[in-house]
Amino acid sequence: AQKITQTQPGMFVQEKEAVTLDCTYDTSDPSYGLFWYKQPSSGEMIFLIYQGSYDQQNATEGRYSLNFQKARKSANLVISASQLGDSAMYFCAIQNFNKFYFGSGTKLNVKP
Amino acid sequence: GAGVSQSPSNKVTEKGKDVELRCDPISGHTALYWYRQSLGQGLEFLIYFQGNSAPDKSGLPSDRFSAERTGGSVSTLTIQRTQQEDSAVYLCASSELAGGPTDTQYFGPGTRLTVL
Repeated sequence: AQKITQTQPGMFVQEKEAVTLDCTYDTSDPSYGLFWYKQPSSGEMIFLIYQGSYDQQNATEGRYSLNFQKARKSANLVISASQLGDSAMYFCAIQNFNKFYFGSGTKLNVKP
Repeated sequence: GAGVSQSPSNKVTEKGKDVELRCDPISGHTALYWYRQSLGQGLEFLIYFQGNSAPDKSGLPSDRFSAERTGGSVSTLTIQRTQQEDSAVYLCASSELAGGPTDTQYFGPGTRLTVL
């Protein structure tokens, strides 16, 4: 079975600082994809970044990067230079055999 | 291009009534997913359609829930005899599912269902 764990229900970060949101997963399948989504208070789910299980390099998308440690089964999201607009819920998800499993989310608050 | 659209954006209904929620996926996306998100919670998988294959209904919470996808495009999620615990935001997502990053799901804005 697939399982995603996000252990930080809530986090605070100072504007312009970097923040790491934790995500660990449990799967016995060798091929999978890892995704991070942002959900602002408006409710829409916004795709941020993707990491394939066979990718050799950590994924990066602008201020977002994914610290992928395959042996530890962790896929932490790093947001650099936090902005007030980054305040939102963040969900980690694993995709395997076309099904997605989402974590319980981390609520990030960026302080001015 | 156009994203995933859902209608209605809000639905208020009385307990025991049936409701239909609609999802229009991104054109060309072969996979379509329905999720339920209760207030302050994560996403609960409901059902998944892929091309002409039989849908994966393993997440449907009861037989009051059903979904169809016509012509490989538009999907309708139907909840019969609604209960108060059905109140949630229902999210639809579509995906190209051609492998790798193309498996990324793109979400609609959701339908907020309130059962009185």
